[in-house]
Amino acid sequence: DIQLTQSPSFLSASVGDRVTITCRASQGISSYLVWYQQKPGKAPKVLIYAASILQSGVPSRFSGSGSGTEFSLTISSLQPEDFATYYCQQYNGYPPTFGPGTKLDIK
Amino acid sequence: QVQLVESGGGVVQPGGSLRLSCVVSGFSISNYGMHWVRQAPGKGLEWVAVISYDESNKNYGDSEKGRFIISRDISKNTLYLQMNTLRAEDTAVYYCAKDHAWGEYRPYFDYWGQGTLVTVSS
Repeated sequence: DIQLTQSPSFLSASVGDRVTITCRASQGISSYLVWYQQKPGKAPKVLIYAASILQSGVPSRFSGSGSGTEFSLTISSLQPEDFATYYCQQYNGYPPTFGPGTKLDIK
Repeated sequence: QVQLVESGGGVVQPGGSLRLSCVVSGFSISNYGMHWVRQAPGKGLEWVAVISYDESNKNYGDSEKGRFIISRDISKNTLYLQMNTLRAEDTAVYYCAKDHAWGEYRPYFDYWGQGTLVTVSS
């Protein structure tokens, strides 16, 4: 199975900050990576798919990049509603696997 | 408007069984792959099972193989997960999720239900 790691595990930031979360895959997955946002008690929500394509309805302050084994999610200017946990997931094949998550909280 | 509504969770003893349901509206499950994904309390996400749009592909995570069965009823537009021989480590919120495509390969999940909590405890 393809393993995903995320860094950092926890991130404290302020409204207006620019933040970047990294996801690394144990083997190459081309651009088959998706980023989800999850708030407490809620289901995950797709932000970015195919590593860099913004899901319809997601604010443009979210962006994704990368291919192969290294990927990143950037939030250009944090808003209060962005404080949540972020997961990457690879979909190069079965089984799909998730990163362990990055919890973003308010400094 | 796409909606996925899970039900059937609850408390069950180790070794017991439970069947989860997911009623779907806003699209036909005969056109998309459908999945179950779970999340243990305070933990990350784990893919559980898939049924492809035409039922040609049913696949399970390693820890679920031989114990869980995914199925569907197209007439009711409903997805199911039969869980047998439950263990404490199966305790989690179980989400049903729609595949962005047919579910045969390269799956990710573009719509999710609200989840149903399964607790395995004596």
